Amino acid sequence: EVQLVDSGGGLVQPGGSLRLSCAASGFTFSTYAMHWVRQAPGKGLEYVSAISTNGAGTYYANSVKGRFTISRDNSKNTLYLQMGSLRAEDMAVYYCARYSSSSYDYWGLGTLVTVSS
Amino acid sequence: QSALTQPRSVSGSPGQSVTISCTGTSSDVGGHNYVSWYQQYPGKAPKLMIYDVTKRPSGVPDRFSGSKSGNTASLTISGLQAEDEADYYCCSYAGSYTWVFGGGTELTVL
Repeated sequence: EVQLVDSGGGLVQPGGSLRLSCAASGFTFSTYAMHWVRQAPGKGLEYVSAISTNGAGTYYANSVKGRFTISRDNSKNTLYLQMGSLRAEDMAVYYCARYSSSSYDYWGLGTLVTVSS
Repeated sequence: QSALTQPRSVSGSPGQSVTISCTGTSSDVGGHNYVSWYQQYPGKAPKLMIYDVTKRPSGVPDRFSGSKSGNTASLTISGLQAEDEADYYCCSYAGSYTWVFGGGTELTVL
């Protein structure tokens, strides 16, 4: 059974940093691109970042470019999102998602990031 | 990248059909056959319902169907059931390794 378990969310002050993790199981992690998608409270879904199967290709939404870094450790079946210079508008539930057939076929349960002083 | 345009809400009675539209541009919806649709219940993670405009993942009822014309994609739910009441989001590849979602549509089953 495919499982994605996101973790690492919490309360952080504006300007602070946080690292999210997504532990994958039930499939060959190294053969799938992975994405992060977020959802601000009461709002819609927003693409955040993507990474290729071997980690060589990393991509970002304009809203987070230069502040967030996506990475993966295929030996640990884990996806990461290092978030820096956090702003109030980054407050959201962050989901990791498996990317397959040009869509997100499996999603994590999400981890909440709260940015507040 | 601007969000795709979806109606804020739609409604229908059990047994009826409803269609949710998703309008983008020639750079996203109109330029790629990579439109997908997601169902989301409150407090839950989204679930894939349609991919590549018209394809249905295993386990998704055939009451759900997708289509596209020009810059507008559509999700149709026929034989509406109470359990279909949820939020629905479209998503499209927008080129240059960017993806864009719609603002979401709240479906109410009357």
